[in-house]
Parts: sequence; structure tokens; C-alpha cells
Amino acid sequence: NAGVTQTPKFRILKIGQSMTLQCTQDMNHNYMYWYRQDPGMGLKLIYYSVGAGITDKGEVPNGYNVSRSTTEDFPLRLELAAPSQTSVYFCASSGETATGELFFGEGSRLTVL
Amino acid sequence: GQQVMQIPQYQHVQEGEDFTTYCNSSTTLSNIQWYKQRPGGHPVFLIQLVKSGEVKKQKRLTFQFGEAKKNSSLHITATQTTDVGTYFCAQNTGGFKTIFGAGTRLFVKA
Repeated sequence: NAGVTQTPKFRILKIGQSMTLQCTQDMNHNYMYWYRQDPGMGLKLIYYSVGAGITDKGEVPNGYNVSRSTTEDFPLRLELAAPSQTSVYFCASSGETATGELFFGEGSRLTVL
Repeated sequence: GQQVMQIPQYQHVQEGEDFTTYCNSSTTLSNIQWYKQRPGGHPVFLIQLVKSGEVKKQKRLTFQFGEAKKNSSLHITATQTTDVGTYFCAQNTGGFKTIFGAGTRLFVKA
């Protein structure tokens, strides 16, 4: 199994540009998440989804949008990129397991100049 | 909002020494999860604790959940260089919204 796959792995954006970070999982998980991790810091929840068509805000949603049209995909949209959005973005998913374990992708490193 | 506080922020140890990181909450936690993130990597799930006073062991790692379910700890016995990384606690706040602590970064000197 591929697990959780994120693309791109690296991206440099200019201020004001927009882009979409892609995330797909092949584990048939209902729950998907986007986190950002600033250098040397913890993970902050941006948005999450409990199933196709259902999304909700996390701790730091401003400047981002998400959609969940299928169980597998959970893209994160950055509109009007700002230097404050320079970070590593992690997508994660979890299923109906007793442990509630989150499975993470490898991360997408975004730099906004 | 609900959050968990982790201490210490950093810990430097000599290989073979023990290490402990603590996770504290002002509210009762329904559960606590622990993750490890190697430098340059992504977080990897270690364990989930659910019951009051629960203690679980994984080889040299011992995880505890406080009696009041407001704190948790991860203890590593006789650290090795492979233990290097950042250890995060995380709580599921309901509705499958998982919030992470700031993490404790462990440095191990050989």
C-alpha cells in the first residue's frame, strides 16, 4: 500500500500566487487532516474532514481552503500566498480503528518569497 | 481552546541516560496519543492511552496516563542514538479532531 501520498514534495511560490497541495490515501479512511509545521515547532491543524463532502476548520484555517469530493482525496488550496505560509505541510488520515492512529504523508515543503 | 502542554521543549542526553517527556492538560483528556518524528521525517504513531492510570511498554519506552487523565508521560530507558527525534503527544478532542502538543526534541550524544 502507498498509504498517504502528498504532492508536490517541494514548491517555491511568489507572494500572491495560489497553489493546491494534493493528498490522496488508498486505505479507505474516512478521516483526513491537513497540518502545518513551522521550523522547530509542533503541528497545527489547518482543516480536517470526517468524510466525503464534510470539512471543518482546525486551529489555523485562515488563508486556506479544502474540499473533499471523494474518500481518497483531500486537496489543500492556498490563495494569495504570504511569507507566513512558509512551512512544511503534512496530510494525514485515520480510519475506524481502536487506536485512532493517524497515518502521515511525507510532507510538502512550501516556501513563499 | 483545548490544548496539551509538553515539557521540556528540548533535552540533551548522553547515550545510555534515561529521558522523560511530559504532557499536561488543564482539562480531562479522553485519550492521549504519542508520536515520534525523526529529523526531516513525518510523525509516526507510537501508542494511544485511554484508561485512567494506564501504563504501557514498548521495549525501552514506557507510556503512562495519569489517574486524573490530565497528564501523560513517555519515558525512554537507556537512550540510543536511534531515539533522536521529536516526541509529540496528541489528543483527540472529539469528532476526530486531533490536536498536537508542541513536542519535545531529543538529542542523544554518542
